[in-house]
Amino acid sequence: EAQVTQNPRYLITVTGKKLTVTCSQNMNHEYMSWYRQDPGLGLRQIYYSMNVEVTDKGDVPEGYKVSRKEKRNFPLILESPSPNQTSLYFCASRWGRGTDTQYFGPGTRLTVL
Amino acid sequence: QKEVEQNSGPLSVPEGAIASLNCTYSDRGSQSFFWYRQYSGKSPELIMFIYSNGDKEDGRFTAQLNKASQYVSLLIRDSQPSDSATYLCAVNIGSGGGADGLTFGKGTHLIIQP
Repeated sequence: EAQVTQNPRYLITVTGKKLTVTCSQNMNHEYMSWYRQDPGLGLRQIYYSMNVEVTDKGDVPEGYKVSRKEKRNFPLILESPSPNQTSLYFCASRWGRGTDTQYFGPGTRLTVL
Repeated sequence: QKEVEQNSGPLSVPEGAIASLNCTYSDRGSQSFFWYRQYSGKSPELIMFIYSNGDKEDGRFTAQLNKASQYVSLLIRDSQPSDSATYLCAVNIGSGGGADGLTFGKGTHLIIQP
């Protein structure tokens, strides 16, 4: 089954404790993205990647890191989480830049205390 | 700065009626347009995409695109309570634009009243 997976689905942590949210897709997509979604603010892109070892900032990259060492994986790293990073996070992937449909993972609900 | 605008709602529609959702975009270079449905706490799922001016129908859903006026709309016929969700409009400017080319609106919250 074609899908985007994320882990963990739910996470409660404390300020300053490094964490990684994993994302994996099995569709051989080149483009992958991370979004956060907050009430009233919609989906905001954090980082995106156009291929292995090619990543770039989205609209709200501060406080986040990503890597793309393999085509299928695109982890999101919070080196020192803060309460304002409490949010619902989505990983997504698609074939390319053009007219392609984007597929979303199930989401990770993160709470930083 | 490319923008995609949607009325946040809530838009309340009686069951069985037609729900009309609208989206405007700022970048004339936009090439493809998507409607996603998102239930609370869940991930967005694609309902329809449209590339050419005019109407595109898929079951109870019709997407309408007018590039000259820079708007895209989604009509839902015979609305059902299960259609109650937030609908996200997404616009792809294809090559030549910044970032990865895909911009989402903030969504319209649709409520179908039984």
